[in-house]
Amino acid sequence: NAGVMQNPRHLVRRRGQEARLRCSPMKGHSHVYWYRQLPEEGLKFMVYLQKENIIDESGMPKERFSAEFPKEGPSILRIQQVVRGDSAAYFCASSPRRDSQTQYFGPGTRLLVL
Amino acid sequence: GQQLNQSPQSMFIQEGEDVSMNCTSSSIFNTWLWYKQDPGEGPVLLIALYKAGELTSNGRLTAQFGITRKDSFLNISASIPSDVGIYFCAGLIGAGGTSYGKLTFGQGTILTVHP
Repeated sequence: NAGVMQNPRHLVRRRGQEARLRCSPMKGHSHVYWYRQLPEEGLKFMVYLQKENIIDESGMPKERFSAEFPKEGPSILRIQQVVRGDSAAYFCASSPRRDSQTQYFGPGTRLLVL
Repeated sequence: GQQLNQSPQSMFIQEGEDVSMNCTSSSIFNTWLWYKQDPGEGPVLLIALYKAGELTSNGRLTAQFGITRKDSFLNISASIPSDVGIYFCAGLIGAGGTSYGKLTFGQGTILTVHP
């Protein structure tokens, strides 16, 4: 049973470009969380999605950031017009149920904005 | 929002020594979790605590859920080189309107073990 998969593992973008980060949850998991980790800090919650629905996006910046989890395919975290401050590691985690306290994390995507 | 204060920020120990780290919060959490993160990887769950006062072990790891629900500690006994990594505490409210896995993380404790 494959774990949570994220790609790309590393992404380099120039300021103003778009970044698309993909997350494939574990098989059978329909709940996805995205977290951001700045250097030498803990993870910060960004958004929680169930299939086709955004449940809680309270941790996601209002501008330039969006997330989706379509019926088919991976969850996507999209950052438009990236700035240097967006450089961070972005992790997704999946769980089998809404009330599950166990989340399985992917290996992360490390975004570097030049 | 909730914040978790984790200490110490870093530890340098000799192989075989015991390690203790803790996490405190100004808010109540109904679940406490401890994760380990290796370089270039995502966090891996070590121990989950669900009840105030609960003491749980997983091999050489022992963690406790504080009675006030505002703190937790993690102990590692007889450390070995592969214990090296960053340890994070995380809290989950998990009650009322937030009955899903929105985790709040501490800042992490960097553990270095000298052979």
